[in-house]
Amino acid sequence: ETGVTQSPTHLIKTRGQQVTLRCSSQSGHNTVSWYQQALGQGPQFIFQYYREEENGRGNFPPRFSGLQFPNYSSELNVNALELDDSALYLCASSFDRGSGNTIYFGEGSWLTVV
Amino acid sequence: AQKITQTQPGMFVQEKEAVTLDCTYDTSDQSYGLFWYKQPSSGEMIFLIYQGSYDEQNATEGRYSLNFQKARKSANLVISASQLGDSAMYFCAPERDDKIIFGKGTRLHILP
Repeated sequence: ETGVTQSPTHLIKTRGQQVTLRCSSQSGHNTVSWYQQALGQGPQFIFQYYREEENGRGNFPPRFSGLQFPNYSSELNVNALELDDSALYLCASSFDRGSGNTIYFGEGSWLTVV
Repeated sequence: AQKITQTQPGMFVQEKEAVTLDCTYDTSDQSYGLFWYKQPSSGEMIFLIYQGSYDEQNATEGRYSLNFQKARKSANLVISASQLGDSAMYFCAPERDDKIIFGKGTRLHILP
């Protein structure tokens, strides 16, 4: 039990739709990172939020956007869904984004785009 | 850009034997940490062990230990006395500022 919760756990969307995934970080953690894991691949870094500001972004198009709220929970939004967006989306939380901190992951949200 | 190499896409090991999972990485950063995570088929990414780049001692956590050779950019995970529940994907993952770069992973199968 990591204390990081994600919702929904599974969902199916149609190409062109929009989706919002949610992450509640572990108590006291102010840094949230999102990752996309396609089938058979390692997770890829999407972006990170630190104290409500975006703090780094991976190689993902602008239709991937996010938010972090004052309680440090976070959302990942994906617009204009494509078939290749089908993946496991993982949220990770940590404290103060400094090297040496343990990073805890949620159980992920499985997104299928049809 | 960082590159992580896990040369063993799949491994089969007899229960109770020790197993070593290989990892080499290529980074220009001098200050970084390195994680190993376990991912069962359910998808959750489970923290196993962490090594800071300036840590002089190899990290250990229960049955897990790291054979960390900074000069060779190598960080092999050793699991002692393997158990059936160890069957999963294993990822070697360097990080900086809590941004993790994952390799392709090694799928470990523990045989009864």
